[in-house]
Amino acid sequence: DTGVSQDPRHKITKRGQNVTFRCDPISEHNRLYWYRQTLGQGPEFLTYFQNEAQLEKSRLLSDRFSAERPKGSFSTLEIQRTEQGDSAMYLCASSSLAGGTDTQYFGPGTRLTVL
Amino acid sequence: SQQGEEDPQALSIQEGENATMNCSYKTSINNLQWYRQNSGRGLVHLILIRSNEREKHSGRLRVTLDTSKKSSSLLITASRAADTASYFCATDSTGGYNKLIFGAGTRLAVHP
Repeated sequence: DTGVSQDPRHKITKRGQNVTFRCDPISEHNRLYWYRQTLGQGPEFLTYFQNEAQLEKSRLLSDRFSAERPKGSFSTLEIQRTEQGDSAMYLCASSSLAGGTDTQYFGPGTRLTVL
Repeated sequence: SQQGEEDPQALSIQEGENATMNCSYKTSINNLQWYRQNSGRGLVHLILIRSNEREKHSGRLRVTLDTSKKSSSLLITASRAADTASYFCATDSTGGYNKLIFGAGTRLAVHP
């Protein structure tokens, strides 16, 4: 068990550019979540996958955001035409129902700065 | 929108003292979890308490849950400088896909 990993850890981009982040969950976890965290606030839910199916999306996930989990393993989050307001930490978490609870384990996050 | 609210927003104590943080939430829950976040890092899971539990211990951590008041507390005993971090409570509402709803957190500073 190597934990949840995210890549890149930091991304600086110019407004209007597209960015893509990757999340590799804990290998046996079938549930995967994306959250966004701005400075001084707690994480806010963006979207949820169970295996490869995207089952829930937040209103925060505008049309410029798209997430995929093509084979039910790793996931990508793409932001098109980035805006300064997209600057935040993007966190990925994974979980499974094994053991009867759904503890979510978080990755280290990708910090996005949009100039 | 965020469901939970932590209190206090910031807490400063000396090593060896106890730290108590409170969390309130709005809707019915399955579980309540506490996480720690060191500056600029990911979240580390501390403890999960189910809605039918009232108290839970893990090492120096003690968590209570009062579903009638929709509130929880996290007690860290004999604090250490390494406990300096932000602490968040997170709830998952009944009927959902277990997405977590976080409060704004309590920033704890433990001074040597």
